[in-house]
Amino acid sequence: EDQVTQSPEALRLQEGESSSLNCSYTVSGLRGLFWYRQDPGKGPEFLFTLYSAGEEKEKERLKATLTKKESFLHITAPKPEDSATYLCAVLVSGTYKYIFGTGTRLKVLA
Amino acid sequence: DAGVTQSPTHLIKTRGQQVTLRCSPKSGHDTVSWYQQALGQGPQFIFQYYEEEERQRGNFPDRFSGHQFPNYSSELNVNALLLGDSALYLCASREWMGGQGGYFGAGTRLSVL
Repeated sequence: EDQVTQSPEALRLQEGESSSLNCSYTVSGLRGLFWYRQDPGKGPEFLFTLYSAGEEKEKERLKATLTKKESFLHITAPKPEDSATYLCAVLVSGTYKYIFGTGTRLKVLA
Repeated sequence: DAGVTQSPTHLIKTRGQQVTLRCSPKSGHDTVSWYQQALGQGPQFIFQYYEEEERQRGNFPDRFSGHQFPNYSSELNVNALLLGDSALYLCASREWMGGQGGYFGAGTRLSVL
């Protein structure tokens, strides 16, 4: 069964304390892996798309990487405004079906 | 440039009723997907529409149906509402031939009493 698992469920960081969020996936085939940020009461905001193992994408303090089994979202020197839920999703090969993980709730303390 | 817009923002219904949610995609997008997001969970894929046809469906019962119009806007219909249908319903749009990442609207919060 196609599955996406994110860890940790919740993470508290001090401002400036770098860390990584994990997204592991088990799918029959991967067409793409996506990272989103979701603020309370809002829809997910698209961050990155990764298509193949070894690929990396960066945006400000965020960097996403992809291996054959998992993806990491690295947050460097986070700020309080980076506090949000970060969601990972995969698009299964041969389908138009997107599978989301349950997310990591990140809280950055000033 | 308007992003993905959804209406209404909030809705309260009772068990057994029917509901229709609406979505206008981002300008230039022709593909619309619908998701259900329960509190504290990730979005669950309901279905995707392109060229007014349902292209893919997730594990949702036939009570959930949809439609896409020639202007690419879309509706999600849910019949015979259950308490468990209470959730945030999200619409995402993208270009069929473009990048696979979707752009989401703010959602419709449905409460079933």
